[in-house]
Amino acid sequence: SQTIHQWPATLVQPVGSPLSLECTVEGTSNPNLYWYRQAAGRGLQLLFYSVGIGQISSEVPQNLSASRPQDRQFILSSKKLLLSDSGFYLCAWSGQSNEKLFFGSGTQLSVL
Amino acid sequence: GESVGLHLPTLSVQEGDNSIINCAYSNSASDYFIWYKQESGKGPQFIIDIRSNMDKRQGQRVTVLLNKTVKHLSLQIAATQPGDSAVYFCAERYSGYSTLTFGKGTMLLVSP
Repeated sequence: SQTIHQWPATLVQPVGSPLSLECTVEGTSNPNLYWYRQAAGRGLQLLFYSVGIGQISSEVPQNLSASRPQDRQFILSSKKLLLSDSGFYLCAWSGQSNEKLFFGSGTQLSVL
Repeated sequence: GESVGLHLPTLSVQEGDNSIINCAYSNSASDYFIWYKQESGKGPQFIIDIRSNMDKRQGQRVTVLLNKTVKHLSLQIAATQPGDSAVYFCAERYSGYSTLTFGKGTMLLVSP
């Protein structure tokens, strides 16, 4: 069966520090991969999605970036965090049809 | 682009009641719809989905209804239980290879 792993679960970082969140998927090949951000009590904002290794589409201009070095690995990064980067970050995967998304357990990021 | 919206931000019901969560969409070209349940601090979990060539689909205690005439989607939960308390999101996929667009969510509160 397919599983998705996302870590860490909680992260507290100072403003201006770098960020690296990692997500891996097991049990499937060539998935579409996604990074979403969710502000407290709000909906899901798509940040990045990828249909293959090295292929990244950015939905929202910001100081975050994403990379897909391997088929089932998706990384969200920042060189310098802003206060506004705080939120709940979710990784997800789907098949090539962009239908049913399967989400990870999320990372609660607090930038102080 | 067009977006998915929800009528009610919070729905409070008694245990054992049937719950109905509503969602309006504005893109008549959307061909796929999906509902997620998100408990506090966790990633969204898939509940049920439906394609635009269907009007109704049933799962375990849940039913999704699609009314394309008025562009309305609803999630019905039978015999609501305290464990159903969560935020529920609907999402739509525009035709083609677009990603899912999520609504803002409705919080369901179930009282014992």
